[in-house]
Order: sequence, then structure tokens, then C-alpha cells
Amino acid sequence: GQQVMQIPQYQHVQEGEDFTTYCNSSTTLSNIQWYKQRPGGHPVFLIQLVKSGEVKKQKRLTFQFGEAKKNSSLHITATQTTDVGTYFCAGKKSSNTGKLIFGQGTTLQVKP
Amino acid sequence: DGGITQSPKYLFRKEGQNVTLSCEQNLNHDAMYWYRQDPGQGLRLIYYSQIVNDFQKGDIAEGYSVSREKKESFPLTVTSAQKNPTAFYLCASSPTVSTRAREQYFGPGTRLTVT
Repeated sequence: GQQVMQIPQYQHVQEGEDFTTYCNSSTTLSNIQWYKQRPGGHPVFLIQLVKSGEVKKQKRLTFQFGEAKKNSSLHITATQTTDVGTYFCAGKKSSNTGKLIFGQGTTLQVKP
Repeated sequence: DGGITQSPKYLFRKEGQNVTLSCEQNLNHDAMYWYRQDPGQGLRLIYYSQIVNDFQKGDIAEGYSVSREKKESFPLTVTSAQKNPTAFYLCASSPTVSTRAREQYFGPGTRLTVT
């Protein structure tokens, strides 16, 4: 079946360093969403990308959707301890009726 | 105060017993979802419902059952047929199911432990 692969699984950085997580789909996606889950919490929606090649920014976070709409990335500039958590991408196939396929997530640890 | 509620936060059951997890939303959302989260595996879809009195199996529906008798409620029953039920269960809802997916709002989750 369709898979959405996310790498790396874990990332430890020093506060102030940059961080990137990558998401790759085996098939073309209609759109991709990103969620953040803090330790002990539940996933919270961050953003949705729809257009091929789309780039969106939220303060220190930059989200990209690939030209072929099969991959996406989340880049955090100058990480802070508040960035700690697991970041999930979730894609939707063009022909689906609403199901999201979640990546395995990337857990970010930030050392102060 | 709008949102999604799941209760209880922690649930303990003996093997062989069925258990029902509750999920209620007052966001007037049409679609509701149940996910299972295990360490290192992300979120896996169990069941979803696009409208009252209708629901579809997700990727790992075996050993689970659901009902959608009211728009606000989407309870999940973990049956004794589920071979490895210990997990973190998350309920979510979204405004509508359409070709262009809308973001999902998650409840706080129920951590089920079966011994």
C-alpha cells in the first residue's frame, strides 16, 4: 500500500543549530500536512501545503512541497528548547476521500 | 470551550476483556478518526467516519469496532480479538471530508494497557 517515509527517526541538536526532517511518498500526493506532538501530548496541526513547489514559513519554520508532490521537508532555523517534540508529515492521495497517511515521525531533542 | 475529549486518560484491562474508549467533539465536525500510536511507528488509522451512521475501515481495523450514531460521538471498542491492544489511542476530527483534506484536530488520547 501507499507509504509515507520520514527521516530521520531521531535527531539530537544543540540549541541554536538548525534541524531538517524529510518526508517521501511512494505516490503523488494531493496535499501534505505537518503536525507537532510535544512529549506526552497529542499531535497539533502546523500547516498544509497544496501546490507543487510550494514554500511556506512560520517564524523559524520553513515548509516545502516538492515539484513532483511526492516529497516535503520541514526546516527549523536556530532551534530552541521549545521546539522539542515529534514532527509528523501526513499526506493525502489524490484519489482518497479524506484519509491521511502519516509518516513515522521525527523526534527532535534540543540540548540547552 | 470547544474541542475533542477522550476519556479516560489511562485505562487498564485484563486480557480477554472488551473495552470501549470514548471520543466526543463539540466542533460540529463531520469526519472523525481513530488512530493507534506505537513507539517508532507514527499514527496508524484504525477506523474513520465521514458522516453519521457510516464508517470505513482504516489500515489496522482487525480486532476493533466502532459506531457513529451521533455526530458528536465516535466510540472505539477494542475487542479481545485484538492481539496486541496495549497502545496510545488518539481520536481526531475534521470539518469535512473532501478532495482537499482539512486539518485534523486531535483529542488528548487514551493510554490503554492490557495485561
